[in-house]
Amino acid sequence: AQKITQTQPGMFVQEKEAVTLDCTYDTSDQSYGLFWYKQPSSGEMIFLIYQGSYDEQNATEGRYSLNFQKARKSANLVISASQLGDSAMYFCAMKLGGTGGFKTIFGAGTRLFVKA
Amino acid sequence: DAGVIQSPRHEVTEMGQEVTLRCKPISGHNSLFWYRQTMMRGLELLIYFNNNVPIDDSGMPEDRFSAKMPNASFSTLKIQPSEPRDSAVYFCASSSYSGATEAFFGQGTRLTVV
Repeated sequence: AQKITQTQPGMFVQEKEAVTLDCTYDTSDQSYGLFWYKQPSSGEMIFLIYQGSYDEQNATEGRYSLNFQKARKSANLVISASQLGDSAMYFCAMKLGGTGGFKTIFGAGTRLFVKA
Repeated sequence: DAGVIQSPRHEVTEMGQEVTLRCKPISGHNSLFWYRQTMMRGLELLIYFNNNVPIDDSGMPEDRFSAKMPNASFSTLKIQPSEPRDSAVYFCASSSYSGATEAFFGQGTRLTVV
């Protein structure tokens, strides 16, 4: 079955510290993409970072990095130097190809609270 | 480009009424997705289109839900008749036909069925 699992419903982190949000996935496909999105309280979905299944290096985008461990099927998001504006819901997602096209499925999300 | 445009932003309707949600994808994107977000079930993929053709509608909860994409720049999600349990935020997203590109989301439509 194709599935994304985020086991942390909520996380707290002190401002300026780093935090890791967990994500595991399940697929038998060899080619797939992994994404993280941020959803602030305003509701919009903001793309953060992408990792391809064949990429050997972990993706980084500014303060965001993706800790990709293919054998363990995990794609954890690391946010360094947390800021108050990082308080939001974070979704891990997987993009899969099929005969007709690509689809993206999402995990349940982790709500991050950054404390001053 | 203005991004993915959804309308209306908010919809309140009575149980039993027909509801139509609209989406204009980003120009040039050939994949379009409809998602539903609730507290209980998170973000669910309802249906997606590729080049205006529905590819997978297995996420559509019931026959009361239907979606169309008559051309590359417009899609609708219709609920008829609506029920209180359909209350949710409905997102439309579009993407180019590639495994490496992210989906761009609209602002969502918050539907309340009373």
